[in-house]
Amino acid sequence: GEEVAQTPKHLVRGEGQKAKLYCAPIKGHSYVFWYQQVLKNEFKFLISFQNENVFDETGMPKERFSAKCLPNSPCSLEIQATKLEDSAVYFCASSQGQSNQPQHFGDGTRLSIL
Amino acid sequence: AQSVTQLGSHVSVSEGALVLLRCNYSSSVPPYLFWYVQYPNQGLQLLLKYTSAATLVKGINGFEAEFKKSETSFHLTKPSAHMSDAAEYFCAVRGRGANSKLTFGKGITLSVRP
Repeated sequence: GEEVAQTPKHLVRGEGQKAKLYCAPIKGHSYVFWYQQVLKNEFKFLISFQNENVFDETGMPKERFSAKCLPNSPCSLEIQATKLEDSAVYFCASSQGQSNQPQHFGDGTRLSIL
Repeated sequence: AQSVTQLGSHVSVSEGALVLLRCNYSSSVPPYLFWYVQYPNQGLQLLLKYTSAATLVKGINGFEAEFKKSETSFHLTKPSAHMSDAAEYFCAVRGRGANSKLTFGKGITLSVRP
């Protein structure tokens, strides 16, 4: 499609439960990025993919966070054993193959941990 | 390593007044610079980008920004504010390499008074 599509828009989980977020990048974009936005500012980079390959995961809390981008499927970000501090809006972005091209963002998934 | 500094968290202007939102960057390589706008409960929308062509960049909605290497700045301006400009504005820097992440500033809230 022409837009980055993120689902669901809102997700509520109890502390300790699993949360899974999905992202369909713009058709033809090879690069996918996940960011976490806490308290309406402070975008934190989590992970990036080049097609189905992880490129940079320096921002991922590896003990509970995982992500995948498989062929012909939406990309996913999964959080095991959620904590209150995971409450945030998670944004997915995609871009084409040139580094001077902008990243296009979805509308985000608001994750609330109770 | 790259970083972005957006001084001040809140700017308030009168409708019709000049908008000036400041952004300073730090980058070890020639940067690509972006301004994004975020309206409530939405994702990031690209306003404009600097990719080492013209130093004065024009974007959407009447916004423009000037890249000044000597000052390591990329300030965003609009000659005449409109009520609809009220939003969060984020400056971001991206390094070279198609898979390089965006590093964001903390954002500035723009309020427009009638």
